[in-house]
Amino acid sequence: DVKVTQSSRYLVKRTGEKVFLECVQDMDHENMFWYRQDPGLGLRLIYFSYDVKMKEKGDIPEGYSVSREKKERFSLILESASTNQTSMYLCASSLSLGVHTEAFFGQGTRLTVV
Amino acid sequence: GENVEQHPSTLSVQEGDSAVIKCTYSDSASNYFPWYKQELGKGPQLIIDIRSNVGEKKDQRIAVTLNKTAKHFSLHITETQPEDSAVYFCASRNSGYSTLTFGKGTMLLVSP
Repeated sequence: DVKVTQSSRYLVKRTGEKVFLECVQDMDHENMFWYRQDPGLGLRLIYFSYDVKMKEKGDIPEGYSVSREKKERFSLILESASTNQTSMYLCASSLSLGVHTEAFFGQGTRLTVV
Repeated sequence: GENVEQHPSTLSVQEGDSAVIKCTYSDSASNYFPWYKQELGKGPQLIIDIRSNVGEKKDQRIAVTLNKTAKHFSLHITETQPEDSAVYFCASRNSGYSTLTFGKGTMLLVSP
């Protein structure tokens, strides 16, 4: 069974903290994605990666960075957490570029910044 | 860039009724249109998709239709059941890119 696993279901962090959200996939997928989900705004792409050490900005990259040192792992980093980054964060992976393949999502990490 | 509009934002139906969710997209080059279902506490999961060379696709109680001229596509769920209650997202993708553009989602509530 294919799996995308996010390291935490719930996180509470303080304003100004550096926050790491971790995601691991076991499907040998090339592409990995980080989305943010907010009520009424749907899923918005923060960053994605199509290969190890490669990254591309999505629609809302400000305040975030990412790291992909290994194919199976994609980390989202909040350099200095702020209250407006309180949200549900979803990681996803898909097989390859240019092919209409399914994106598989993790269960999400609900981050609260206080 | 691509813009996907989804309506309605909430939809309440009685068990056994049909439900229809509609999406429009802006980029005429888009050619892949998946639908995702997100149950409470879970990540979205693909339930059906359609490519631009097909007008309609069915899978048991769910179907998707695509009108490329009008740039809209719809999800149809027949004989709804309480377990169909979830948030549904439409999305589109241009073959020149690897990322999906999602609609804002529809919360479907099926009452017994």
